[in-house]
Amino acid sequence: EIVLTQSPDFQSVTPKEKVTITCRASQSIGSNLHWYQQKPDQSPKLLIKDASQSFSGVPSRFSGSGSGTQFTLTISGLEAEDGATYYCHQSSSLPFTFGQGTKLEIK
Amino acid sequence: EVQLVQSGAEVKEPGDSLRISCKGSGYSFTTYWIGWVRQMPGKGLEWMGIIFPGDSDTRYSPSFQGQVTISADKSISTAYLQWSSLKASDTAMYYCARHDGLTSGWDWWGQGTLVTVSS
Repeated sequence: EIVLTQSPDFQSVTPKEKVTITCRASQSIGSNLHWYQQKPDQSPKLLIKDASQSFSGVPSRFSGSGSGTQFTLTISGLEAEDGATYYCHQSSSLPFTFGQGTKLEIK
Repeated sequence: EVQLVQSGAEVKEPGDSLRISCKGSGYSFTTYWIGWVRQMPGKGLEWMGIIFPGDSDTRYSPSFQGQVTISADKSISTAYLQWSSLKASDTAMYYCARHDGLTSGWDWWGQGTLVTVSS
């Protein structure tokens, strides 16, 4: 089973900051890596698919990069509404897996 | 409009059986995978398994194989997650979501079904 390790687990940030969340895979997964945002008491929402493709309707401040074993989600110009937990998800090798999540707190 | 509507919250006792549902509409149900995810209270997302309703091809996480059954009835565009004997540790929110290819991101999610197992 492929293990996804996100860093950091938690980050307290101020609006307008640039935030970077990293996801490392225990073995190469190509570009089969997706990012989701989950706000409290809501279902997860797809932000980025296939490592770097923005999903329809997602604000342009969200971007993704990486391939192989290291991936990054960047939020450029954080807004107050971005306070949430972010998860990476690999679909390269069954069983598919999720990272443990990164919680962003907006100061 | 695409919708995945899950069945309502359940309160059960240990040893009970349960089936929860996920009804798709607004798209071709038989051409998208449906996946299931568990989220225990205050915890992260856990991948449970997926099903392709077109031919009922089903894949499970080893962590959930034998503990749950995933199925689908394409005639009514509904996927199911069922337990034959619930445990207190099954208490969690369960989400369904669709994806158009086996390796695709999950682009549309249900609202979640809260399952509480308590004596």
